[in-house]
Amino acid sequence: GAVVSQHPSRVICKSGTSVKIECRSLDFQATTMFWYRQFPKQSLMLMATSNEGSKATYEQGVEKDKFLINHASLTLSTLTVTSAHPEDSSFYICSATDLSGGRGSTDTQYFGPGTRLTVL
Amino acid sequence: RKEVEQDPGPFNVPEGATVAFNCTYSNSASQSFFWYRQDCRKEPKLLMSVYSSGNEDGRFTAQLNRASQYISLLIRDSKLSDSATYLCVAYSSASKIIFGSGTRLSIRP
Repeated sequence: GAVVSQHPSRVICKSGTSVKIECRSLDFQATTMFWYRQFPKQSLMLMATSNEGSKATYEQGVEKDKFLINHASLTLSTLTVTSAHPEDSSFYICSATDLSGGRGSTDTQYFGPGTRLTVL
Repeated sequence: RKEVEQDPGPFNVPEGATVAFNCTYSNSASQSFFWYRQDCRKEPKLLMSVYSSGNEDGRFTAQLNRASQYISLLIRDSKLSDSATYLCVAYSSASKIIFGSGTRLSIRP
């Protein structure tokens, strides 16, 4: 199956700092990437949908100025948590899919391994 | 009401047993459905897609009932390694993807 990487896998930072998380599709072009957040013992909550070359679409309740998303290429999307606070501590997971409609495209999502963010 | 609902479990069954989960969805416009498996502190991994005609992959069988708006997952001859949380996912469009809260399964020796 397709491979999606995330970096870093784990980050611990002080309150008030910004943290950037990268999501890369390694063997396919991801027209669309999704960013999720998962708190302990809860399901994944979709934060935003990122389309290459356009602005991200944020879910209700997600602050776009706090969670900056950039999808500059077909293989890379970044999520920046600005001025992180302890309540932002969570497991952030990206997924990627190819929805171009071209050969090999599918709506199956392939998940990155996740980034565990701890804000002190 | 949640758009995708699952019994959170936990389901605790002996090795070798057959276990089934259901997942209901409220949006009749939902087009695609999947089952994912998530191990503790790991990312979800695709288990199988769910088709109207039903599909089987080894010990796993998935069914979709559009009339009643639910999908199901059946696991036969369960193994210890099947212990995980199983998430059902419904897509109503490329940008509308809803995860269920997951059903925890624990297989005991």
